Amino acid sequence: GQSLEQPSEVTAVEGAIVQINCTYQTSGFYGLSWYQQHDGGAPTFLSYNALDGLEETGRFSSFLSRSDSYGYLLLQELQMKDSASYFCAAPEGDYKLSFGAGTTVTVRA
Amino acid sequence: DADVTQTPRNRITKTGKRIMLECSQTKGHDRMYWYRQDPGLGLRLIYYSFDVKDINKGEISDGYSVSRQAQAKFSLSLESAIPNQTALYFCATSQLATSSYNEQFFGPGTRLTVL
Repeated sequence: GQSLEQPSEVTAVEGAIVQINCTYQTSGFYGLSWYQQHDGGAPTFLSYNALDGLEETGRFSSFLSRSDSYGYLLLQELQMKDSASYFCAAPEGDYKLSFGAGTTVTVRA
Repeated sequence: DADVTQTPRNRITKTGKRIMLECSQTKGHDRMYWYRQDPGLGLRLIYYSFDVKDINKGEISDGYSVSRQAQAKFSLSLESAIPNQTALYFCATSQLATSSYNEQFFGPGTRLTVL
């Protein structure tokens, strides 16, 4: 199975940069996904890294290092609407996902 | 219209009652999933189905059962609800893929309280 660890909470001010780390232990690894969830609403997909390196999508970027069993989600130019929970997730062999416990990001004015 | 819908959105019930949560999707996806979310524990997989004839247990299936009535419908049942099944329940879908990529699309959730 998969085990993914991420910090429980991060707080930052508007305009700042936040990095959410995710370390994983897996019996087989295919890649790392990130999901965003606002206030108990539906989680929504943000990004997926299959290969090492940085993937950029607007203000959000995601990074993966397979050799370090580590990835992160980078939130730049923080806005109030970025206040949410962020989950890293890893596909398992038959494509179901295992999720980390989630990181709550609070953006302050 | 939402692609993945769940009914009911909120439910309060008593210990020992049978409860069914329903999920429908218009995305045409083959795969459907049921998760529960508890504070500080993230999303945990209860059951998943890759097609109408294929149903699999997830990591926390005890106390739950499912039915895949059609490609578009996947129901979760609690045969005899207990208070520690109080949680937020999500249905999700994904498309069969030939790679390991697996974007999942989630419904709005059902908040279940068992008294």
